[in-house]
Amino acid sequence: AQSVTQLDSQVPVFEEAPVELRCNYSSSVSVYLFWYVQYPNQGLQLLLKYLSGSTLVKSINGFEAEFNKSQTSFHLRKPSVHISDTAEYFCAVSARREGGFKTIFGAGTRLFVKA
Amino acid sequence: DTGVSQDPRHKITKRGQNVTFRCDPISEHNRLYWYRQTLGQGPEFLTYFQNEAQLEKSRLLSNRFSAERPKGSFSTLEIQRTEQGDSAMYLCASSLVQSYGYTFGSGTRLTVV
Repeated sequence: AQSVTQLDSQVPVFEEAPVELRCNYSSSVSVYLFWYVQYPNQGLQLLLKYLSGSTLVKSINGFEAEFNKSQTSFHLRKPSVHISDTAEYFCAVSARREGGFKTIFGAGTRLFVKA
Repeated sequence: DTGVSQDPRHKITKRGQNVTFRCDPISEHNRLYWYRQTLGQGPEFLTYFQNEAQLEKSRLLSNRFSAERPKGSFSTLEIQRTEQGDSAMYLCASSLVQSYGYTFGSGTRLTVV
């Protein structure tokens, strides 16, 4: 079975400051890793994903995440945040196996960007 | 393609009533998932379909909950004899293959009074 721990429930940060949202996972099998973003009153949107290959993955809006197998982590970073990045961010994991599977989500980290 | 559609957006019901939600996935997606999200929590897996076959159900899905995907297209989630603890956002998502990640709908917010 897989599990996901998001270490911070809320992260307040000033605009243009860097931010890191932490995510650790546990699994007995190889996994795919995802970050989703949820803006108020909206569904979740896929932000970026790690499948294989390069351990550093990037989104189109400046976020990046690095897969660290030894530390079982997939932290999300952005060097300079904007007010519009205020949202809830969910780390998620799913097992690499055929047939039935499900994606397990963390409890979320609320990023609040202040002017 | 308009993405994943869920109907209704909001539902208020009295305790003990039955409710049914509908999800229309992206047309070429053969996998469909239902999740439940309560305030301050991440989505919790309920069930998943590949085409019309329901392949996995969570223990969260009590016998009051039933889901169907009769022709491998849209899906319905029914809750019988609703309880206040059923109040949550019910999210539907679809995907083509697991590695692509999910496309979520906007959810149905259920309030049981």
